[in-house]
Amino acid sequence: EIVLTQSPTTIAASPGEKVTITCRASSSVSYMYWYQQRSGASPKLWIYDTSKLTSGVPIRFSGSGSGASYSLTINTMETEDAATYYCQQWTSTPWTFGGGTKLELK
Amino acid sequence: EVQLVESGGGLVQPGRSLKLSCAASGFTYSNYIMSWVRQAPRKGLEWVACITTGGGNTYYRDSVKGRFTISRDDAKNTLYLQIDSLKSEDTATYYCTKGYFDFWGPGTMVTVSS
Repeated sequence: EIVLTQSPTTIAASPGEKVTITCRASSSVSYMYWYQQRSGASPKLWIYDTSKLTSGVPIRFSGSGSGASYSLTINTMETEDAATYYCQQWTSTPWTFGGGTKLELK
Repeated sequence: EVQLVESGGGLVQPGRSLKLSCAASGFTYSNYIMSWVRQAPRKGLEWVACITTGGGNTYYRDSVKGRFTISRDDAKNTLYLQIDSLKSEDTATYYCTKGYFDFWGPGTMVTVSS
């Protein structure tokens, strides 16, 4: 099973601040996927194929990485970005998620 | 508009069974793999099971093999998850997902407790 480890577990950012969340896989994966889950809501696919933004996702978001190391970056934090973000891999079953990074507004 | 609506959750005693349903609309359901993903209270996401188009193949995480059965009815645009021998660790919100998790339903809560 590929284990995905996200860091940090929790982060607080002020509006306008740059935020980076990392996801490390226990073995190399082909692509990384990211989901946003706001409080009380179901997750939404946010970034797919490592760096492609789902329709409607603001361009302040970006994804990058390769092999076993990936990241999600918010160029300038906005209020609406406060949520929990999960990384996920499709490379091998069981398809696994990271433990999540809770992004709070400072 | 894509819609997935789960139902069938509730409070169930350990050892009992439950069948979850997911009604799909707004897309050509038969063309997509479908999955169930669960989330225990205040915990992360965990993929549970997947079924390919036509129901030809099913995949499960090890911890649920033999107890969970995923199925689909393409005539009714409905996905199912039969859960047998329920355990307390099955307590979670169960989400129905379309394709490669590109759309999620609102979820249905399953609580296993005596």
